[in-house]
Amino acid sequence: GAVVSQHPSRVICKSGTSVKIECRSLDFQATTMFWYRQFPKQSLMLMATSNEGSKATYEQGVEKDKFLINHASLTLSTLTVTSAHPEDSSFYICSASPSVGQTDTQYFGPGTRLTVL
Amino acid sequence: AQSVAQPEDQVNVAEGNPLTVKCTYSVSGNPYLFWYVQYPNRGLQFLLKYITGDNLVKGSYGFEAEFNKSQTSFHLKKPSALVSDSALYFCAVRDSAGNNRKLIWGLGTSLAVNP
Repeated sequence: GAVVSQHPSRVICKSGTSVKIECRSLDFQATTMFWYRQFPKQSLMLMATSNEGSKATYEQGVEKDKFLINHASLTLSTLTVTSAHPEDSSFYICSASPSVGQTDTQYFGPGTRLTVL
Repeated sequence: AQSVAQPEDQVNVAEGNPLTVKCTYSVSGNPYLFWYVQYPNRGLQFLLKYITGDNLVKGSYGFEAEFNKSQTSFHLKKPSALVSDSALYFCAVRDSAGNNRKLIWGLGTSLAVNP
């Protein structure tokens, strides 16, 4: 149980294009999902907290107009990197906390490797 | 301010020997503590957590961790390491009184188990 998927697992795009990453909780409902960014050999950097039916809460220094987050249902959150640039290349990971039961635990997706050329 | 420290960037241990990955924390209230493991190019997998109750917590893959309030520590342990345990380990904490579920993350410890 507590499986989270991400799609795509890997994406290569040209500079200036937009990329959408999906995060789904497959066997549980998640009121809250989180989006992280991870650079090589570094810790997780929380980008934003995504709450179903409301606006995401962005961490300081994260541009909300560049990293658009939508949490339209209890099982799906999307992150859209708009007008991507090479410096946006990174490993993006989402997590989800169950709405009931293990509400204090974050369950992670397998990550999405974004490469911007 | 809340914080987590993993004082060792890397831990090396021989297969079959016991392993310890250290974590200390700082929160204003009662802590919720977590350990996660990350294999190369993968997301994180939940290992175990301390919320309340018994200070010794048992988790996945034979790992356990002991909550020590006086030392503000939550070290991860395993009696006998396997080569397959080689991975990146993250400790995380949140304040139980916090209004959100945001976790504060340590920088990670790379565990290498040598055959």
